[in-house]
Amino acid sequence: DAGVTQSPTHLIKTRGQQVTLRCSPKSGHDTVSWYQQALGQGPQFIFQYYEEEERQRGNFPDRFSGHQFPNYSSELNVNALLLGDSALYLCASSRAEPNYGYTFGSGTRLTVV
Amino acid sequence: AQRVTQPEKLLSVFKGAPVELKCNYSYSGSPELFWYVQYSRQRLQLLLRHISRESIKGFTADLNKGETSFHLKKPFAQEEDSAMYYCALIFRGNQFYFGTGTSLTVIP
Repeated sequence: DAGVTQSPTHLIKTRGQQVTLRCSPKSGHDTVSWYQQALGQGPQFIFQYYEEEERQRGNFPDRFSGHQFPNYSSELNVNALLLGDSALYLCASSRAEPNYGYTFGSGTRLTVV
Repeated sequence: AQRVTQPEKLLSVFKGAPVELKCNYSYSGSPELFWYVQYSRQRLQLLLRHISRESIKGFTADLNKGETSFHLKKPFAQEEDSAMYYCALIFRGNQFYFGTGTSLTVIP
């Protein structure tokens, strides 16, 4: 089992562009959460997907959107990139039961120039 | 509002010395707390969760509701314990709120 896989590992984009990050959950997991980790900070919750719908959302603008596919994989889209969007984006998968532990991916390092 | 505070960004201890990483939380409901660890060049991984009351790699953490704390402790630090440690609170059933992390360095 490869665990949670994320792609790409690194990405450089220009301010104003749009980006799509991808995540495949651990086998047996049906819930995907996305986190943003800025340098020197802990991960911050962006949103969570379950049954192809956004179930919860953190304090992030609408420029951040996502999608979950029938195979439970997920995408994070960010529009109109700002310099401040530069961060490590982490995907975590889990099962739907409350308080079930997460398995994290290695993340995608996004740099906006 | 929920909050997790890790007051120390950096902590250094000598090998064999006791180590305590502090975590304080603010949450109006019944909290469930976790410690996550990130070793160099590795992904974030679960170290322990308070409801399971287990000891992982010699680390323990006790939830103190009176002091709203969940400090991580180990009696004898090892070099391989050097890592970034995050305290996390779960709320709304499955949304984590992380602290800013403490970087632990164990000096040989």
